[in-house]
Amino acid sequence: QVQLVQSGAEVKNPGSSVKVSCKASGGTFNNYAISWVRQAPGQGLEWMGVFILTLATADYAQKFLGRVTITADKSTGTAYMDLTRLRSEDTAVYYCARVRSYYESGDDFSYYLDYWGQGTLVTVSS
Amino acid sequence: QSVLTQPPSASGTPGQRVTIPCSGSTSNIGGNTVSWYQQVPGTAPKLVIYSNNQRPSGVPDRFSGSKSGTSASLAISGLQSEDEADYYCAAWDDSLNGYVVFGGGTKLTVL
Repeated sequence: QVQLVQSGAEVKNPGSSVKVSCKASGGTFNNYAISWVRQAPGQGLEWMGVFILTLATADYAQKFLGRVTITADKSTGTAYMDLTRLRSEDTAVYYCARVRSYYESGDDFSYYLDYWGQGTLVTVSS
Repeated sequence: QSVLTQPPSASGTPGQRVTIPCSGSTSNIGGNTVSWYQQVPGTAPKLVIYSNNQRPSGVPDRFSGSKSGTSASLAISGLQSEDEADYYCAAWDDSLNGYVVFGGGTKLTVL
C-alpha cells in the first residue's frame, strides 16, 4: 500500500521560505509524478505544480512561477516543495499526492491524484 | 473564483440519492477526464472517482460519476451518514502551459 508521509507543521515569518518534504513508501516511487496541492483555511483545493520523476522535470501553476520549486530525491523516495517570499496569504495546509496520468481512447487526458499525504500546516505570521 | 463550478452545498436523507454537478469548459472537462475527491474536515482528500466514472478499489459502488460535454456529476446512492464531507471535482486544463483545476467544493450534509 502506497503511503506518503509529510514533514511537520511550520511557522514562518513573512518574507522567509519553507521547505516541506513528502516521503513515499510502497509502490515504485520512480515511475510516477508527485503533485503539490494547498488548501487555505476554510477554502478549496489549489494545484501548485508537479515533479515528474521519470523525466526529472517540474511544471508549475502560473500563479506560483518564480516562488515555488518542486524537487525529488529518487534515492530516498522523497519529494520536496520549496516556497519562497512567504506572505500571510500562503498560510495553508500543503498536501503532496501521487499523480496518475495517461491518454484515454479519444484523446482525452486523464490526470488524477490517487494517494495523498496527511498534509502539512504552514502558518505565515509575524 | 474556481475554474470549475460546483454548488456550495447539497443535502439528503439516509438512503436517498444525491447528485453533485460540476461545470467547466472546453479546455478542461470538455477535452479531458474528471476526477472527484472526498474530504472529511481535518483530513486529506481521498480519490473516489477517476476517469469520469471509474471507482478506485475500496470505494463503494454507491458512488458513480458521469460526464457530458463540459459538465460532470458525482452521484451517491443509498446515502449514509459517513458520506457527509466536502466533495471536489478536478480536471486537467489545457490552457496556459496546462495545469490542474478544481471546483470550489460542495459540502454534503446528511440530514
